[in-house]
Amino acid sequence: AQTVTQSQPEMSVQEAETVTLSCTYDTSESDYYLFWYKQPPSRQMILVIRQEAYKQQNATENRFSVNFQKAAKSFSLKISDSQLGDAAMYFCALPSGGSNFGNEKLTFGTGTRLTIIP
Amino acid sequence: DAGITQSPRHKVTETGTPVTLRCHQTENHRYMYWYRQDPGHGLRLIHYSYGVKDTDKGEVSDGYSVSRSKTEDFLLTLESATSSQTSVYFCATLDGNSNQPQHFGDGTRLSIL
Repeated sequence: AQTVTQSQPEMSVQEAETVTLSCTYDTSESDYYLFWYKQPPSRQMILVIRQEAYKQQNATENRFSVNFQKAAKSFSLKISDSQLGDAAMYFCALPSGGSNFGNEKLTFGTGTRLTIIP
Repeated sequence: DAGITQSPRHKVTETGTPVTLRCHQTENHRYMYWYRQDPGHGLRLIHYSYGVKDTDKGEVSDGYSVSRSKTEDFLLTLESATSSQTSVYFCATLDGNSNQPQHFGDGTRLSIL
């Protein structure tokens, strides 16, 4: 069975600073995707960034980037120049089925609540 | 997002009553999912569907049933609600023919007293 672990229930960062959220996982797949989702107080689940395991280059989306360490099964999210709108719960997620298209049941971590200090 | 509508958005009911939550999508996605979100657990899969009348259990399926009679609708039923089923319920859909990720509805907050 797949597992996803987020060991930081809460984090806080000063506005404009950088923060890193950690995630470790376990899977028997050799190729797979990993996701970070953001859940603001509105309760929406918003995809922040996606990493494909076969790609050695870390994914980047504007101020969001990942540090993907496949051998260590680590997938951390770095948020640069933190903004008030970044305040949210952040979930790491691992889909079943590897990198194949089709049904993908998501396994989520327990989440990290990020607070931005003005 | 992806034309997903969950109804109702909020519901309060009593223990022992039946409850049905509805997920409606307009994207013609093949796969549909029901998750529940609880503090300290993240989101956990309840049931999923891989086509009309094709469904299967997820991680936390006890006490829940689902039905999908049309591509666009996926119903989650609590036959006899219990307080442990108080949660926020999310529906998600997936095309399955591309590398697009799951899209989520806005959730239903269900309180069982």
